[in-house]
Amino acid sequence: GNSVTQMEGPVTLSEEAFLTINCTYTATGYPSLFWYVQYPGEGLQLLLKATKADDKGSNKGFEATYRKETTSFHLEKGSVQVSDSAVYFCALKNSGAGSYQLTFGKGTKLSVIP
Amino acid sequence: DGGITQSPKYLFRKEGQNVTLSCEQNLNHDAMYWYRQDPGQGLRLIYYSQIVNDFQKGDIAEGYSVSREKKESFPLTVTSAQKNPTAFYLCASSPAPRGAGELFFGEGSRLTVL
Repeated sequence: GNSVTQMEGPVTLSEEAFLTINCTYTATGYPSLFWYVQYPGEGLQLLLKATKADDKGSNKGFEATYRKETTSFHLEKGSVQVSDSAVYFCALKNSGAGSYQLTFGKGTKLSVIP
Repeated sequence: DGGITQSPKYLFRKEGQNVTLSCEQNLNHDAMYWYRQDPGQGLRLIYYSQIVNDFQKGDIAEGYSVSREKKESFPLTVTSAQKNPTAFYLCASSPAPRGAGELFFGEGSRLTVL
């Protein structure tokens, strides 16, 4: 079956620090990969996505590259801001039979301090 | 603006009572989903629906029921059979149930059993 493993949090960084949140996956076929962000008390918002190997998704200074050889989709940002404080979820979705849902990691809480 | 509306945002229930959470979307999406979020456990799929008048159980359907009488509406009933219903509930939709597309989420409903 499908599974997503994220680094455990919480992660606390100072403003302008470099961020990496690791994500690895197990899936059959060729899944699409996503990062979602959840701000306190809110639903999830799509941050970025990649649909095939070697694709790089990017948005709001965040980036992640779909690495099929290492089954990874690590999230990075060069300089975090206080407003980036949130919970980040890595997820995958297969495109073949049974691809009716997203499979989520458990989430990584990021706190950025001034 | 198009989007997904969940109501109520907060709900309190006494033990033994059924409650219904509303989810409405005006995105003209075919597929709709209900997820449950608990601290440290990520998101788990309760039910999903690919078309009107059809729905399937997800990973944790016991104690829940749904209906899909209209394309834009997918209400979730938390029944008294659900042993631990206190959680954050998220509704989502996608243009098509299969394929690489992402899910769009509502703001969530927080249910607390007193």
